[in-house]
Amino acid sequence: EVQLLESGGDLVQPGGSLRLSCAASGFTFSRFPLSWVRQAPGKGLEWVSAISNNGRSTYYADSVKGRFTMSRDDSKNTVFLQMNGLRAEDTAAYYCATGAMSTAGFDSWGQGTLVTVSS
Amino acid sequence: DIQMTQSPSSLSASVGDRVTITCRASQGIRNDLGWYQQKPGKAPKRLIYAVSSLQSGVPSRFSGSGSGTEFTLTISSLQPEDFATYYCLQYNSYPLTFGGGTKVEIK
Repeated sequence: EVQLLESGGDLVQPGGSLRLSCAASGFTFSRFPLSWVRQAPGKGLEWVSAISNNGRSTYYADSVKGRFTMSRDDSKNTVFLQMNGLRAEDTAAYYCATGAMSTAGFDSWGQGTLVTVSS
Repeated sequence: DIQMTQSPSSLSASVGDRVTITCRASQGIRNDLGWYQQKPGKAPKRLIYAVSSLQSGVPSRFSGSGSGTEFTLTISSLQPEDFATYYCLQYNSYPLTFGGGTKVEIK
């Protein structure tokens, strides 16, 4: 059974940084691209970033480009999202999901971790 | 960027009703379109990919159709567990984009 467990969400001040992690199990991690998708309170879904299965390619939404960095550690079956220069509009539940463009979207999802940006 | 316009934003329906939700893409996306269901406080769940391919384990009352720029999700006979919010997703090109969502409520 595929499991994705996000962690690292917290309350942070505007301009601050946070690193999210997503630990995966139940599938051959190194074979799959992964993505982050977020959802602001009471709002719809927004794709944030994706990383290829070999980690060489990363993709970002315009709203986070230059501030967020996605990476992966296949030895730990974990994907990360480094978030810098956080803004109030980054407040959201952040979901880790298996898949990206090349895999017809997102197959499995984690339960999400909440990021709140506020002073 | 490809914009996905989903309609309606909400609807009220009764158990047993046939429900149709539409997504329009701002440009052609071939068949690179999926549908997701989300219940309150839960992660989304994929129902359909490649316009009409049913995800394993998803009931056959869900179906998808369309091509090019216009796509439809149909629930043939609405069940109590289907009351949720539904989103379309285009994965033809980055940035991947979701529709705004359709909340299906009980009439």
